[in-house]
Amino acid sequence: ETGVTQTPRHLVMGMTNKKSLKCEQHLGHNAMYWYKQSAKKPLELMFVYSLEERVENNSVPSRFSPECPNSSHLFLHLHTLQPEDSALYLCASSQDRLLIDNEQFFGPGTRLTVL
Amino acid sequence: AQKITQTQPGMFVQEKEAVTLDCTYDTSDQSYGLFWYKQPSSGEMIFLIYQGSYDEQNATEGRYSLNFQKARKSANLVISASQLGDSAMYFCAMREWNNNDMRFGAGTRLTVKP
Repeated sequence: ETGVTQTPRHLVMGMTNKKSLKCEQHLGHNAMYWYKQSAKKPLELMFVYSLEERVENNSVPSRFSPECPNSSHLFLHLHTLQPEDSALYLCASSQDRLLIDNEQFFGPGTRLTVL
Repeated sequence: AQKITQTQPGMFVQEKEAVTLDCTYDTSDQSYGLFWYKQPSSGEMIFLIYQGSYDEQNATEGRYSLNFQKARKSANLVISASQLGDSAMYFCAMREWNNNDMRFGAGTRLTVKP
């Protein structure tokens, strides 16, 4: 596997379910990110991890819970979601969070539907 | 306030022709970076090109070039010799020295006609 992978690619869940999204990067990067992409809205940064430490939480509801056990893996734990949480969830990584010219490498995303 | 503005929700271009996708940005930082990404229907965001605020020359990567006009705060993407596979969403993004988060515009949907 190369680049950034995400599983599952598609997920349908009820409002009372608990599920997790997984992201893995094979690039040796130090920073990882979760983004939410809803229809007709720009990408929204949800969480940032640098060297496995969470450095940013952009006022995301507590029903989203990130976990970064090591620099290669990032999870997003979901519980009691709302229908408006249906979106494409993208994971990304970059070599260094602080360098301006570091592009972010994205995974293919998980398409989440909350019923 | 919106940091990145892409005023073209959708654009059409004939195959083999060039197209310009507009992007304007707002920042008070002197040091910042501008990025363009392509998002096909598969969902993955693909990095295309980067322009640093101190770069004196416009960035180029193959068929992609960036028309950087610093005084006007614009960073338009030019795609030359369009191909059918160029049909996708295109996002402009910026990172600032004082805010490391990458901020994205709303995107432009490009459709290449055969």
